This record gives sequence, C-alpha cells and structure tokens, in this order.
Amino acid sequence: DAGVIQSPRHEVTEMGQEVTLRCKPISGHNSLFWYRQTMMRGLELLIYFNNNVPIDDSGMPEDRFSAKMPNASFSTLKIQPSEPRDSAVYFCASSLVLYRAPYEQYFGPGTRLTVT
Amino acid sequence: GENVEQHPSTLSVQEGDSAVIKCTYSDSASNYFPWYKQELGKRPQLIIDIRSNVGEKKDQRIAVTLNKTAKHFSLHITETQPEDSAVYFCAALTSGTYKYIFGTGTRLKVLA
Repeated sequence: DAGVIQSPRHEVTEMGQEVTLRCKPISGHNSLFWYRQTMMRGLELLIYFNNNVPIDDSGMPEDRFSAKMPNASFSTLKIQPSEPRDSAVYFCASSLVLYRAPYEQYFGPGTRLTVT
Repeated sequence: GENVEQHPSTLSVQEGDSAVIKCTYSDSASNYFPWYKQELGKRPQLIIDIRSNVGEKKDQRIAVTLNKTAKHFSLHITETQPEDSAVYFCAALTSGTYKYIFGTGTRLKVLA
C-alpha cells in the first residue's frame, strides 16, 4: 500500500492567490482528516470526514478555507484567498473507524505551504 | 470540550536512560490512545497505541500504560538511543465521534 498521498509537497504562493491541496487516503479507510501544523499552534484538526461526509469542520479557521471529499479516494482543501498567516504544514490523515472499534490513523507526508 | 494535556513539553535524557511522557484526557468516553513520533521535517508516525480494555502494552523498548480511572496514559521508552530524539504526541479518540484530540507534544532529546 502506498500510504496516504498528498500533493503538492511544497507550495509557494503570493497573498491573495487560491491554493488547493490534495489528498488520497489509504484504500479501505473510511475517515479522512485535515490537520495544520505550526510552531506556535502545534497540530490543529481542521476538518474530518467519515464515509465522504464532513462530520466536524469547527477547526476550519474561517470562510477562506473549504474542504471537499467527492469520493472515497480523494479530498481537497482549498484556501481562497490565501494570506501569509496560512503558512504552515498541512497534513492529511486517514483511518478506518468503526463504531466503538477505532483503528490506526496514518498521516500523509504533508504539504508545506508558504504564502508571501 | 475534549482536551488532552501532555507533559513535559521538553525532556532531555542521557543515552541509555529511560524517558516517560504523560498525558491526561478529559473525555471519559475516549477509548483509543495512540502515540506518534515526529522527526524534524517528517510526518507524525504511529509508534504504539492502546485501547481502553487494556492496561498496558509493550513493543520492544517502548510501552504504554493506561489508567482509565485517573484518565492518564503514559509512554515509556527504555534504553534510549540518539535516534529516539524527536517530538512525541499523544492522542485520544472519543468514542462515536471519530475525532482524535492531540496533546501539545514533547520534544525528547537523547544526549550521547
């Protein structure tokens, strides 16, 4: 298994531009998570999906952020317009979570976003 | 809301000594507790986990203990080596929500 796949690995963009981050979860996993990691704020959960349905987006910073999961093998996180404070490493993770029977969560390699 | 407290934030040990990192969770319905190791510039990697029906789990030099009554769980690393130097995160999964709550991380330095 290739593990969780993210693209791009690095993204440098100018303030005001739209940024789209992509994730392919591990095949067979039913839950997908988007995290943001910075030195100041640590690892923050932005949004998670179960069976392609967004369950909790309370961690999404503001309306500039949106996430979709059109099918079980693909998700996007979009920032429009981007701002310098959005600079961070964005991780996607996936897991097989059954009611009262959770399994391991695996992280992708991350996308390092720099907004200038 | 749900919360996981992790201590200490930094820990330095001599090579060969043991290291212990402790976490406390707030939601008594949490039933799964993974630990992740993150090396500089890399992704968090799952190193060990424990479920709420077990009190202790061991894998070579690492072990995790769980005290459900006190809502504590701990990571124990014995015979530390320089390659154990990394940031370690604990997490708790709240039953029925699929949501992992992470601790703030412990930066472990193993001094050769």
